[in-house]
Parts: sequence; C-alpha cells; structure tokens
Amino acid sequence: SAVISQKPSRDICQRGTSLTIQCQVDSQVTMMFWYRQQPGQSLTLIATANQGSEATYESGFVIDKFPISRPNLTFSTLTVSNMSPEDSSIYLCSAQQVEAFFGQGTRLTVV
Amino acid sequence: GESVGLHLPTLSVQEGDNSIINCAYSNSASDYFIWYKQESGKGPQFIIDIRSNMDKRQGQRVTVLLNKTVKHLSLQIAATQPGDSAVYFCAENGSGGGADGLTFGKGTHLIIQP
Repeated sequence: SAVISQKPSRDICQRGTSLTIQCQVDSQVTMMFWYRQQPGQSLTLIATANQGSEATYESGFVIDKFPISRPNLTFSTLTVSNMSPEDSSIYLCSAQQVEAFFGQGTRLTVV
Repeated sequence: GESVGLHLPTLSVQEGDNSIINCAYSNSASDYFIWYKQESGKGPQFIIDIRSNMDKRQGQRVTVLLNKTVKHLSLQIAATQPGDSAVYFCAENGSGGGADGLTFGKGTHLIIQP
C-alpha cells in the first residue's frame, strides 16, 4: 500500500486568508484525489488532481476556491482560498492505483 | 444524484460477537465497492474491496457480501475486538478503475461493549 503524508495536520486560519495543503506519496501513482469531510460526516470528493493538466472538479467545487496542483506522480497540493468559517473541515488526500489509500487529513478551522 | 447510503448510524456489539454493517447503493452502474475503517483523528483505512462480478470476498476476520439484485453491500467482522471500534464507510466507484474518485456512504459507528 502507498504511504501518504499530508501537511499540515491541522491549522487555525483567519477568514479571508488562504491555506495550501501538501500531499506526498511514497511511490508514483496514477490517480490522486482531494476530499472534504465535515465534522461527523462522510467524505465528499472535491476534485481529481491530474498530472500535467488542470484538475477535474466535482459539482459544487470550483478552481478559484480550491486550486489544485499536481506537478508529478507523487505530489499534489490543494489550496483553500479566501477562507470563511464554512470551510472549516478535514481535507483528505487520496492516492489510487488499484485500492485507494488516504492521508491522515488536514483539520482546518477558520475563525 | 445517485449516492451510497447506510442503514444504521450506530451499531453496538458485544466483544467477541460478529458484527454486520450494511450499505445500500443506488447506482446500478457501480462495479467496484470498498469498505473503509476510520478511527478518530485518522484518515480512512482500506479494509476490503469487491468487484461487481463477485458476490463474496473474504479477508482476515472480514467478509464483504454484494447483492446486486437489491443493490446491497455488507461487511461482516468476525469475533469483534475492542480495536474494531471505529466508523465504517462503504464507498463505490462507477468505473472500477478509480478514474472518477469514490462516492462514500454516510458511515456506521461501531461500538464494542466489553
């Protein structure tokens, strides 16, 4: 299984600012994804991070709010832009070859 | 849109008993299903998966059953242990190859009583 490291593990941010979350996989993977998990709830797919091209966003998520980079097959970033308290959530990176594995998540609190 | 859902939000079982966690899905085109375990403060941990051309798959102490007729998925945990306490999610992928990401069910909180 792939080992996925996410940074930061948690942060408290002021509204109106932006936070970039990093995801590093210990092996090359074809597919990487970003999910959001609001407290006590399930996971919702934000976007597919495509290597060498623009990310593919799910309904309700837009590039201006959640810009994503995928410069190579082992690394991706998700930025949460112009944050508001409603963005307080856990953000999870996933890597998938056959099975999908997840990082430990980034717990974001916006105040 | 179509979604994957769960029947029970909380399941309480005695240590040593078998646990059965259920999941209903609505996308008849789904062909790949996965169960995850999520402990507090951690990311989801892969448990077991099954493809739509199978109706049963066994792992260590876990069995996944798939009933495509009624679009139902279940996870059976044998001889439940305290370490099994967690939230369990079913997830579905329409393409089977991961290209579309996963759709998750709501989750069942498994509580183990001594």
